[in-house]
Amino acid sequence: GIQVEQSPPDLILQEGANSTLRCNFSDSVNNLQWFHQNPWGQLINLFYIPSGTKQNGRLSATTVATERYSLLYISSSQTTDSGVYFCAVKGGGSNYKLTFGKGTLLTVNP
Amino acid sequence: EAQVTQNPRYLITVTGKKLTVTCSQNMNHEYMSWYRQDPGLGLRQIYYSMNVEVTDKGDVPEGYKVSRKEKRNFPLILESPSPNQTSLYFCASSPTGRGLGAPQYFGPGTRLTVL
Repeated sequence: GIQVEQSPPDLILQEGANSTLRCNFSDSVNNLQWFHQNPWGQLINLFYIPSGTKQNGRLSATTVATERYSLLYISSSQTTDSGVYFCAVKGGGSNYKLTFGKGTLLTVNP
Repeated sequence: EAQVTQNPRYLITVTGKKLTVTCSQNMNHEYMSWYRQDPGLGLRQIYYSMNVEVTDKGDVPEGYKVSRKEKRNFPLILESPSPNQTSLYFCASSPTGRGLGAPQYFGPGTRLTVL
């Protein structure tokens, strides 16, 4: 099956700093989503981005499907950005199953 | 508000006591799915449903049952829970499971502990 690798696995920032999270995938994908899992365990949709670039406030994402990677940018980070960020992709096949990466654990210190 | 709801949010039970985790979505989505999340193993799909009365196994279906009698509901049934089913469970839905698909929306999660 498709493999999803995220980097870095852990990231510690001071409030106000910027960061880039990366997601590499092993095969062509039809869909790609970024999620934020908050400290309470909830999975929050950030972006649905099979290709191209999107922005939502301080967050933006870019997917280059032909090169099999996606980037999530967080600018002016806040303590509430802390949590785990997951990249998830859908490969071929009829089941719309998302394959998740292992995530990036982000800690933003005040 | 468009959402996926799960109940209960937290449950502690004992081995062998049948339980059901409910999942409901109000977005008229065709596709629904259950995942479990475990430390070191990430999120893995248990079962999915492409539409009413259409269900199929995901990667880790052993010990679970599902049904899809109505479009909005997709309950997860543990007939005889065991400690290795202690996990964080997520229900998800999407407008469609076909073709290129669409964004998948997740419920708030259910923390299950089986003693």
